[in-house]
Amino acid sequence: DAKTTQPPSMDCAEGRAANLPCNHSTISGNEYVYWYRQIHSQGPQYIIHGLKNNETNEMASLIITEDRKSSTLILPHATLRDTAVYYCIAWPWEGSSNTGKLIFGQGTTLQVKP
Amino acid sequence: DAGVIQSPRHEVTEMGQEVTLRCKPISGHNSLFWYRQTMMRGLELLIYFNNNVPIDDSGMPEDRFSAKMPNASFSTLKIQPSEPRDSAVYFCASSMDSVGYTGELFFGEGSRLTVL
Repeated sequence: DAKTTQPPSMDCAEGRAANLPCNHSTISGNEYVYWYRQIHSQGPQYIIHGLKNNETNEMASLIITEDRKSSTLILPHATLRDTAVYYCIAWPWEGSSNTGKLIFGQGTTLQVKP
Repeated sequence: DAGVIQSPRHEVTEMGQEVTLRCKPISGHNSLFWYRQTMMRGLELLIYFNNNVPIDDSGMPEDRFSAKMPNASFSTLKIQPSEPRDSAVYFCASSMDSVGYTGELFFGEGSRLTVL
């Protein structure tokens, strides 16, 4: 599975967009980019995933570069409740089975400040 | 939908005692994962099952750890004998392996284990 690299921590002002980068320069063609977050002492929560197209849902947007070597998770209007550790994971998914293990790195600790 | 249910939420035990953690996955999900989280090592995948069959247990730290999934609605993670270094939060997660599914994992609230 491709290794991902994220900054250990970031700050964001409440109400502003939070842009969390992730580098996955060795990602394989069948590996999707998944984002999860973990709010203090809770289980990780799925946010969004994508293969090569940009994706948006009610929680966030995911921008993947054309060469797929990096991506950015965007929280458009960060709130204090978005303070959490955000994990970027490259995971092979063939559409019918999990072909690998979902491995969490150290993630980015996002602190949203009033 | 009740989500993934884990028990106990908190367990304090003494070194050498047997510990059993339990997990009920979301109904209809066919994959189940056990993770362990500590400050030092982060989130580690211990083992995962697909259709009740263990697929990869390479993350299980040693023979003191064992996991079973006797049916689609129940799994256990057992530590015998427990040691202080096993103190951690243990998470169970489930997902659906099927065509068109997202591959999203749903996590439980975790079981916080303290071994004295």
